[in-house]
Amino acid sequence: GENVEQHPSTLSVQEGDSAVIKCTYSDSASNYFPWYKQELGKGPQLIIDIRSNVGEKKDQRIAVTLNKTAKHFSLHITETQPEDSAVYFCAATPDTGRRALTFGSGTRLQVQP
Amino acid sequence: GAVVSQHPSWVICKSGTSVKIECRSLDFQATTMFWYRQFPKQSLMLMATSNEGSKATYEQGVEKDKFLINHASLTLSTLTVTSAHPEDSSFYICSSKGQFESYEQYFGPGTRLTVT
Repeated sequence: GENVEQHPSTLSVQEGDSAVIKCTYSDSASNYFPWYKQELGKGPQLIIDIRSNVGEKKDQRIAVTLNKTAKHFSLHITETQPEDSAVYFCAATPDTGRRALTFGSGTRLQVQP
Repeated sequence: GAVVSQHPSWVICKSGTSVKIECRSLDFQATTMFWYRQFPKQSLMLMATSNEGSKATYEQGVEKDKFLINHASLTLSTLTVTSAHPEDSSFYICSSKGQFESYEQYFGPGTRLTVT
């Protein structure tokens, strides 16, 4: 099955700096890669996703890049703000009917004001 | 994005009792719903996949007789934790996948279960 590794486990940045979180996956059949933001005591919120036919996707301060050859994808947050502080999870799923997500271990991002 | 609700948001029960958690897809029809469990400071672990009108598919190591899943309609799936024990205390989260070829999954707010 799919295995997703995520780094770093914790990340502390100053407000206004950029933050980068990286994930690798093992199943070459995976073709959908979402990123979720989870605040304490809440469910994960989909913030951006990318499919295998695209190398990069951007939505305001958030961008995701995908390298299918190397089997890794990254989340980039620019101009970080204190409200970006949360746990971020990457995930991957292969092109099967069930499309269950396999999650990375999570990154706790702390943006220092 | 789509809206998924869960009820209750938190529940405390005594060991040996059963607890039912509801997951509702509020603004779209969900052919498939997923149930996850999350322990403190850990990632989400898939428990089972619930398809409307058919039996749920459980992940390895998840007891189907203990975690009963029912997906009776396109907008409602329920998870019943039977004969709960303290080790079942966790954060249970459901997600909904849209119809047909939709990739996106939208998560509910989660249910905090504490078994005393």
